Amino acid sequence: NAGVTQTPKFRILKIGQSMTLQCTQDMNHNYMYWYRQDPGMGLKLIYYSVGAGITDKGEVPNGYNVSRSTTEDFPLRLELAAPSQTSVYFCAAGGSSGNTIYFGEGSWLTVV
Amino acid sequence: RKEVEQDPGPFNVPEGATVAFNCTYSNSASQSFFWYRQDCRKEPKLLMSVYSSGNEDGRFTAQLNRASQYISLLIRDSKLSDSATYLCVVSDSNSGYALNFGKGTSLLVTP
Repeated sequence: NAGVTQTPKFRILKIGQSMTLQCTQDMNHNYMYWYRQDPGMGLKLIYYSVGAGITDKGEVPNGYNVSRSTTEDFPLRLELAAPSQTSVYFCAAGGSSGNTIYFGEGSWLTVV
Repeated sequence: RKEVEQDPGPFNVPEGATVAFNCTYSNSASQSFFWYRQDCRKEPKLLMSVYSSGNEDGRFTAQLNRASQYISLLIRDSKLSDSATYLCVVSDSNSGYALNFGKGTSLLVTP
């Protein structure tokens, strides 16, 4: 049972490059989320989706874009990477109110 | 004002000790409450949900006081394997029931 799968696990980007973090879930959950976690800090919500075709901004969306063409996939795109985007990125999926939200193993991104 | 506040610690306790973590939240419309555990360089994992009546899971007891907007976690008979960061988490119907995390409280249990 894979749950939530993120790729890549590690990536180094140069300033100004673009990349996509992939996230897929096999639990048929409607709700999916992208968070970032900086050292010593809590997780901050970047974008979320309540179902295929629907996405919305979270607390820290600047510099990122998402899409949700299917229930399973919720990729996060970084355009023009900046050092401030160096962080650990977690994708998560859940059912609805009060239901457990499951996290992927994280993607470590460094922008140099 | 941060939505979820926790004492960052670290808490260093010997094996067998009892340790308590506290958390406050600012959004009175919060509907769901959780404690998550995060090990170093790992993803957060649900430890337990928190209910108004209080709930217990083995050595772990969670309490919620909606009037004071306060959540607690008590760990009894600490084990070395309890060493981790404990994240206080709340959610509401905004942002698709997304979780709002505190910064976490670090616990180190020593022999």
